[in-house]
Amino acid sequence: DSGVTQTPKHLITATGQRVTLRCSPRSGDLSVYWYQQSLDQGLQFLIQYYNGEERAKGNILERFSAQQFPDLHSELNLSSLELGDSALYFCASSVVGGSRADGYTFGSGTRLTVV
Amino acid sequence: GQQLNQSPQSMFIQEGEDVSMNCTSSSIFNTWLWYKQDPGEGPVLLIALYKAGELTSNGRLTAQFGITRKDSFLNISASIPSDVGIYFCAGPKGVDSNYQLIWGAGTKLIIKP
Repeated sequence: DSGVTQTPKHLITATGQRVTLRCSPRSGDLSVYWYQQSLDQGLQFLIQYYNGEERAKGNILERFSAQQFPDLHSELNLSSLELGDSALYFCASSVVGGSRADGYTFGSGTRLTVV
Repeated sequence: GQQLNQSPQSMFIQEGEDVSMNCTSSSIFNTWLWYKQDPGEGPVLLIALYKAGELTSNGRLTAQFGITRKDSFLNISASIPSDVGIYFCAGPKGVDSNYQLIWGAGTKLIIKP
């Protein structure tokens, strides 16, 4: 258990629908990052939140949005879903501060299938 | 956006063989990180490197931080079936709220039956 919790683990939905993916970061981590990974592809950065505020945006579609709540959990909302949105969605959190930041800790992902 | 150049893209190897992969960048990094992603799982940190020239081992894995600080290498000795997966290099930029990882595209390791 990495300490980063993602739910649900699997999600199957129809085109045009809207889904919400949830992430609870590791205890004490203030930053949350969302990534999309299509089959056999690399990690595509979507968006980062830090202590409730958006800090960086990557290749995130306008149909997608995210937020981070006061308890630091984050939700990624995907709307008007298309077949091409089928992918693994990962959440990661990072240690804040310190002279040696050891990267991100990833959750086990949500596998989204759009049919 | 900025990305690290990771090669090879994939490798087919026999069990027991040694494996080498590398990661290069046009800019300097002060830390290099190597992650492994098992199929269907999130990436897990294998090795972190903090100093140019540093050589660090984790079991059969050895990683090196290049002297120029623009590259890093990962070697796996005597590969076994559980080594299968995707290996990513990453370099951090920024601190605290601006902390971000820049990623390589990954090296997929496949063991020939």
